[in-house]
Amino acid sequence: GDSVTQTEGQVALSEEDFLTIHCNYSASGYPALFWYVQYPGEGPQFLFRASRDKEKGSSRGFEATYDKGTTSFHLRKASVQESDSAVYYCALGRTGNYKYVFGAGTRLKVIA
Amino acid sequence: GGIITQTPKFLIGQEGQKLTLKCQQNFNHDTMYWYRQDSGKGLRLIYYSITENDLQKGDLSEGYDASREKKSSFSLTVTSAQKNEMAVFLCASSIYRGSERLFFGHGTKLSVL
Repeated sequence: GDSVTQTEGQVALSEEDFLTIHCNYSASGYPALFWYVQYPGEGPQFLFRASRDKEKGSSRGFEATYDKGTTSFHLRKASVQESDSAVYYCALGRTGNYKYVFGAGTRLKVIA
Repeated sequence: GGIITQTPKFLIGQEGQKLTLKCQQNFNHDTMYWYRQDSGKGLRLIYYSITENDLQKGDLSEGYDASREKKSSFSLTVTSAQKNEMAVFLCASSIYRGSERLFFGHGTKLSVL
């Protein structure tokens, strides 16, 4: 079946550092790929999605590019802020299939 | 814009107790979901419903029941709470299946004594 792997369980950075959170997927065809962000005490919020090879999704300074060749959708941000501290989830969905697949999540802590 | 409201925000139960969590959405979405969130395990699907009165089991349905009597509401019942269980239950909805974003509520945090 489909699966999503987030390599980092936790990431600690200083403000203005560059962020990369790795997301790799295992699935046939072209599933839709998503990034969500979850702040303490809240539910996950949609960041952006992509559904075609080389398509870039972006929001709030975060971006990721759908790469069919490496089956990846890595999240990047050029300069993180303390307010970016949250848990980030990579997810996969398919048209016609109600079951989304989520990665285990990556907890980002940004120190001022 | 719409909102998903989950009640209660915190739920404390006793071992063996039957506990019910409620979810309301005003997006007019057809599809609703219940996920369980445990630290380090991501979100796991318990039940989903594609329309009023429809129920579909997810990967983690054992020990849970669900109910969708109205399009706007979706309830989850823990049939017998397990001692020392602690998890966050998230309700979500979507306009379409699979390829569109999910909208989440803020969650219900369950603790079992």
